[in-house]
Amino acid sequence: GQNIDQPTEMTATEGAIVQINCTYQTSGFNGLFWYQQHAGEAPTFLSYNVLDGLEEKGRFSSFLSRSKGYSYLLLKELQMKDSASYLCAVRDSNYQLIWGAGTKLIIKP
Amino acid sequence: DVKVTQSSRYLVKRTGEKVFLECVQDMDHENMFWYRQDPGLGLRLIYFSYDVKMKEKGDIPEGYSVSREKKERFSLILESASTNQTSMYLCASSPTGRTYYGYTFGSGTRLTVV
Repeated sequence: GQNIDQPTEMTATEGAIVQINCTYQTSGFNGLFWYQQHAGEAPTFLSYNVLDGLEEKGRFSSFLSRSKGYSYLLLKELQMKDSASYLCAVRDSNYQLIWGAGTKLIIKP
Repeated sequence: DVKVTQSSRYLVKRTGEKVFLECVQDMDHENMFWYRQDPGLGLRLIYFSYDVKMKEKGDIPEGYSVSREKKERFSLILESASTNQTSMYLCASSPTGRTYYGYTFGSGTRLTVV
């Protein structure tokens, strides 16, 4: 079966750095996505990785290791508005997105 | 700005009612999707469509049907609503051929079946 694992919940302090991990086992791999979802709202696109390595976009970075079936999302200089759920999704060999259950990130002052 | 619009943010329906959820996108995307999202379960695919009048079952199609008569519109139908269909429903679209492109989501419809 296909499976994506991420921690259910994490807590971090404003101004700090947090790393949200995602491990996956899927039928094929055609890219990995990270989405942000604020409570009661739709998911919004954050990042896309298809090759190994780190992709940096402002305060957010995403890393991929295809051989390990592993990715992480790194958030720097945390702000209160970063409190949200972060969803990891992998595009499989059929070009379907397989979604993790999401990680709820709580930012404390 | 690209947009996926869902007709209702909140709906309350009675058990046994036929329910229509509408989704319209203005990006000329070929692909459209319906998901439901429940706490702890992530996004689960109900149905998707790669073209007009075309539909494919996702992971949890039972109790649902869809219609895509025009490229921009994808409707989800609950034939006879039941309480276990109380959920957040999300519509999404994506273009064909641009693999770096994820999905654009609508704002969601929170459906309560009583």
